[in-house]
Amino acid sequence: ETGVTQTPRHLVMGMTNKKSLKCEQHLGHNAMYWYKQSAKKPLELMFVYNFKEQTENNSVPSRFSPECPNSSHLFLHLHTLQPEDSALYLCASSQMYRGAGELFFGEGSRLTVL
Amino acid sequence: QKEVEQNSGPLSVPEGAIASLNCTYSDRGSQSFFWYRQYSGKSPELIMFIYSNGDKEDGRFTAQLNKASQYVSLLIRDSQPSDSATYLCAGFNDYKLSFGAGTTVTVRA
Repeated sequence: ETGVTQTPRHLVMGMTNKKSLKCEQHLGHNAMYWYKQSAKKPLELMFVYNFKEQTENNSVPSRFSPECPNSSHLFLHLHTLQPEDSALYLCASSQMYRGAGELFFGEGSRLTVL
Repeated sequence: QKEVEQNSGPLSVPEGAIASLNCTYSDRGSQSFFWYRQYSGKSPELIMFIYSNGDKEDGRFTAQLNKASQYVSLLIRDSQPSDSATYLCAGFNDYKLSFGAGTTVTVRA
């Protein structure tokens, strides 16, 4: 395995379901991110984990719950979502140091909330 | 105010022409800037980054940065149909990238 892998690639869930998105990076990076991408809108940063510590939470609703058990794995737990949460959820990783910021993205998890 | 703004497009150019993409940013603390390309249904992939004023060239791509004007641009020379994609501009500050909404480019054969 190389790069950043995300599972599942596609997910359809009802508003009362509980599901999780998984991300794994094989690049030895120390930071991982969740972004949301909706049509015609900029990528929205949701969560940042730097050395496993959450350093950013951009006012994301509590129905999204991140978990970072180690520097290689990142989860996004989903519960009681709304139809407007349907989007592409992208995981990314980087080697965080001052003055740089190249992100390596996974292929994304396409979420549809019915 | 959006942190990063891009010309909305879409931009249509003939094959072999130059495609010019523009981006402005509001955060003067932004330290470096990135151009990502995203094909439909795919995740973004890095084209190039720039952190010093002036031009940076990589093959058919040239990034330009003017920190005084808070302006970043990307030129694609000799555009090819395979360059048809959405191009995302992003500014890096401290520990996060802030993205623009993207400009969709179509190269006509």
